[in-house]
Amino acid sequence: GENVEQHPSTLSVQEGDSAVIKCTYSDSASNYFPWYKQELGKRPQLIIDIRSNVGEKKDQRIAVTLNKTAKHFSLHITETQPEDSAVYFCAASPYDKIIFGKGTRLHILP
Amino acid sequence: NAGVTQTPKFQVLKTGQSMTLQCAQDMNHNSMYWYRQDPGMGLRLIYYSASEGTTDKGEVPNGYNVSRLNKREFSLRLESAAPSQTSVYFCASSQSAGTSGYTFGSGTRLTVV
Repeated sequence: GENVEQHPSTLSVQEGDSAVIKCTYSDSASNYFPWYKQELGKRPQLIIDIRSNVGEKKDQRIAVTLNKTAKHFSLHITETQPEDSAVYFCAASPYDKIIFGKGTRLHILP
Repeated sequence: NAGVTQTPKFQVLKTGQSMTLQCAQDMNHNSMYWYRQDPGMGLRLIYYSASEGTTDKGEVPNGYNVSRLNKREFSLRLESAAPSQTSVYFCASSQSAGTSGYTFGSGTRLTVV
């Protein structure tokens, strides 16, 4: 089955700097790659997603890139703000379900 | 518009007891899912229902059963709870299986003692 690896597990960046989270997946059938943000004690919420026919997608300060050949995809957050502090999950979807990575805890330092 | 509603929000069980977690969505979504979340382990898929009338095992199905009661409702049953099932359980739904993002419920925090 699909296996999603996510790095790093913890990331600390200065406010205003950029943050990058990287993921790999194993199943070449995966064609949908969502990213979720989970604040402490809350439910995960979809922040951006990308499909396999697109190499890059941007939404304000957030961008995702996908390299299907290498089975890599990444989340880029620019100009980080305190409210970006949360756990971020990447995920990949082979067929009819979504498999998540283990998450990255992002700390924004003042 | 409530989205995805899970009940209960908290539960404490004794080892060997049974219980059913309820999930209902009002978005007319076709697909529904149950995940468990443990520290450092991310979200692991227990069971899912890609469409009404179908259910399939996920990554960690042992010790659980599910019922897709109708298009709106998808329940998760623990027949004989074990301490290893202490976790936060999330139900989610999506318009189409595997090709659209999930809407999650608020979660059920379950402790088995």
